[in-house]
Formats: sequence, structure tokens, C-alpha cells
Amino acid sequence: GAVVSQHPSRVICKSGTSVKIECRSLDFQATTMFWYRQFPKQSLMLMATSNEGSKATYEQGVEKDKFLINHASLTLSTLTVTSAHPEDSSFYICSARVRGAQETQYFGPGTRLLVL
Amino acid sequence: QKEVEQNSGPLSVPEGAIASLNCTYSDRVSQSFFWYRQYSGKSPELIMSIYSNGDKEDGRFTAQLNKASQYVSLLIRDSQPSDSATYLCAASRGNFNKFYFGSGTKLNVKP
Repeated sequence: GAVVSQHPSRVICKSGTSVKIECRSLDFQATTMFWYRQFPKQSLMLMATSNEGSKATYEQGVEKDKFLINHASLTLSTLTVTSAHPEDSSFYICSARVRGAQETQYFGPGTRLLVL
Repeated sequence: QKEVEQNSGPLSVPEGAIASLNCTYSDRVSQSFFWYRQYSGKSPELIMSIYSNGDKEDGRFTAQLNKASQYVSLLIRDSQPSDSATYLCAASRGNFNKFYFGSGTKLNVKP
């Protein structure tokens, strides 16, 4: 299957700082990437859909000014958590949609964020 | 009503048995269906995709789709302890729309 990478895999930061997470499609071009958040023992929650060259589409209840998404190229999308707080501590996972005869979606390995 | 519903489990089966995981979806427009496996602390991994009514087999895994009844299932034959994970069902309306994920079913395969 297609390979999606994320960096960093883990990050610990102080409250009030900003954290940038990168999501890359390594062997294909991804016109669309998705950002999810998952709290312990809970299901995936879609935060936003990131389309290359255009503004991200945020899900209801997700603050676009707090979670900045940039999809500057066909292989890279970034999520910046601005002014992070302890309640933002979570597992952030990106995925990339593969176009073809039949679409599918592959996940990156995830980034575990801990805000102190 | 959630778009995709799954029993949270846990579903416990003995090693070597068949594990049957079920999923229902509410939107008749849904066209594409997926099963992902997620180990604790890891991100989801695609196991199977299915787009047409009927069965689709891949190794020990068989996905079944019944659009009239709006359900999707995943059978795991000869279950192994390494299959113990949470299984996520997802549906998409096609046209490259977002996926709707169920909350997942936790499977325990006991040695």
C-alpha cells in the first residue's frame, strides 16, 4: 500500500507554545489529506480535510484558528496546534487519499502530543 | 444516528476460530467500505476495501457487503493472538468524499 509518514512521532511542549506536525505522502501524490485526533480509548475524530492549494475544510466544533492546516504541495500537509493547552494532548493522525480506479485512504503512523 | 455503527465489544474468540465483525451504515448513498485494524497506541492500518455486493476474500480475511441491508462484515479465519486489536469500519459516499468511521470493535483472540 501507499506510504504516509508523520513527523514528529512524539512531542512534549509547554502550555502556550505552538507545535507543527508534518504529514507526507512518500510514494504518491495526495491531493487530499485528512487530519484526525484520537483520545485514549476513543474513536477517530475527523478534524479537517486538507486540499492541496486551497483552504482546509474543518469539521464542526474544530477551531480553524487554533488548528492551522497548510497543504502547500501534493506530498505535504502540516497541522499547527497554536497556543497549545493540556486538553490538546492527544494522538494526531493524518491520512492521505489515493486516487485511482477505486479510492482508498492510508494513515500515517501518528503523532503523540503531550502539553504540560 | 451515527453514520457507521459497530458493537464496541470486546469480542473474544479462541485461537483458530472464526472471528466475525459487523458494521451497519445509515446512508444509502455510501458506495465504498473499508476495514482498518488498529493496535493499541498505533494508527489504523488498511485491511480490506469492498465496493460491490457480495464477498471479497484476501488471505484469512473475508469482507462481506450487503447494500440492501446496509451492513458490512469482516470474517477472520484461523484467528491468531496477533489479530487482537480494534477493528474500524469506514464508509464513503464516493466522489472522493470523507470517510465515516465507526467507533471500532475490540477483538481478543485467546491462545
